[in-house]
Amino acid sequence: DAGVTQSPTHLIKTRGQQVTLRCSPKSGHDTVSWYQQALGQGPQFIFQYYEEEERQRGNFPDRFSGHQFPNYSSELNVNALLLGDSALYLCASSPGTGASYEQYFGPGTRLTVT
Amino acid sequence: TQLLEQSPQFLSIQEGENLTVYCNSSSVFSSLQWYRQEPGEGPVLLVTVVTGGEVKKLKRLTFQFGDARKDSSLHITAAQPGDTGLYLCAVLGANAGGTSYGKLTFGQGTILTVHP
Repeated sequence: DAGVTQSPTHLIKTRGQQVTLRCSPKSGHDTVSWYQQALGQGPQFIFQYYEEEERQRGNFPDRFSGHQFPNYSSELNVNALLLGDSALYLCASSPGTGASYEQYFGPGTRLTVT
Repeated sequence: TQLLEQSPQFLSIQEGENLTVYCNSSSVFSSLQWYRQEPGEGPVLLVTVVTGGEVKKLKRLTFQFGDARKDSSLHITAAQPGDTGLYLCAVLGANAGGTSYGKLTFGQGTILTVHP
């Protein structure tokens, strides 16, 4: 049973460019959340997708957008990249809609903006 | 201001030593979670505590939830190099309607290094 997978593993982009990160949830999970983790810090919640809709959003600008597909996989898009967007982007999946469900994290995508 | 304040931020100890990591807040929580994150990996859930004063043990790790459910601690006995990693406490947040959809709010983490 595969866990949460993310691609790519690493990515280098230039300021002003756009990037798309991908996530496949753990089998049986239908909810996907995205987090940004700066070096040496705890992850910060970006948004959560359920039933192909954004259900909850953290304090991130509109440059950060997402999508969830019918197979529950998800994409995170970031436009007009800034140097400060350099971070580890984590995807987490969970089953159902209950708040008590454990979230399973993927290994992350390391984004470097130069 | 961080919702969850973790201390210390860095901890470097020798194998066999004991240590305690703290997670404090001025807010009351219905539950609190502890995660460990190793380099190149995502956080992995260690434990969820839900009752004030609750103590949970996971091998050499002991987790305690404060009586007032505002703080928590993680104690490691006889630390080993395999315990090295980033330790994070986290709580489930709520949206504007008061329903919690599993948004996790993390502390800034404690980086633990255990030397052989």
